[in-house]
Amino acid sequence: GENVEQHPSTLSVQEGDSAVIKCTYSDSASNYFPWYKQELGKGPQLIIDIRSNVGEKKDQRIAVTLNKTAKHFSLHITETQPEDSAVYFCAPPGALNFGKGTSLLVTP
Amino acid sequence: EAGVAQSPRYKIIEKRQSVAFWCNPISGHATLYWYQQILGQGPKLLIQFQNNGVVDDSQLPKDRFSAERLKGVDSTLKIQPAKLEDSAVYLCASSWGTVGELFFGEGSRLTVL
Repeated sequence: GENVEQHPSTLSVQEGDSAVIKCTYSDSASNYFPWYKQELGKGPQLIIDIRSNVGEKKDQRIAVTLNKTAKHFSLHITETQPEDSAVYFCAPPGALNFGKGTSLLVTP
Repeated sequence: EAGVAQSPRYKIIEKRQSVAFWCNPISGHATLYWYQQILGQGPKLLIQFQNNGVVDDSQLPKDRFSAERLKGVDSTLKIQPAKLEDSAVYLCASSWGTVGELFFGEGSRLTVL
């Protein structure tokens, strides 16, 4: 299975600002790209995903963009709120392990 | 729809003891995963089942860890004997197939003293 690299490892933003997290993968056969959010004491939960036949998908304040040529996909959160504070993981299929995670802190 | 159920939520044991975790996936989900999540890290796949067959167990420390999924539904993960470095949260997840959303349980937190 492939590995994925996720950046940054920590991200602190002011409420209302935007946050961007990037995930780089190696398996060019990957065709499904999810982002998970994990709150303290809970299991990860899918927040958005994208298939390889589209370049961008939006769901209210959350979007995911895919660059298959560069083999990376990114999570975009706009108008951040304190409840967005959590750890975010990418995990394309075929990856044995999730990315190392990005700890997002949104300060009021 | 009921989610993925795991038990126990917390377990404290001494090194060299044994422990077992149980997972009941979402009804109808053919694929079941066990992940190990050490504090501050992302989940690491231990084993993946498709129905009651093993798809991938390349990262399972087979000298001490074992898992089974009898009848393609519930699954148990066992550690024997436990080591200090096994302290982690053990997450169970299920999905309809091998590509798509993973549904996670709340995890079983193991502390090995």
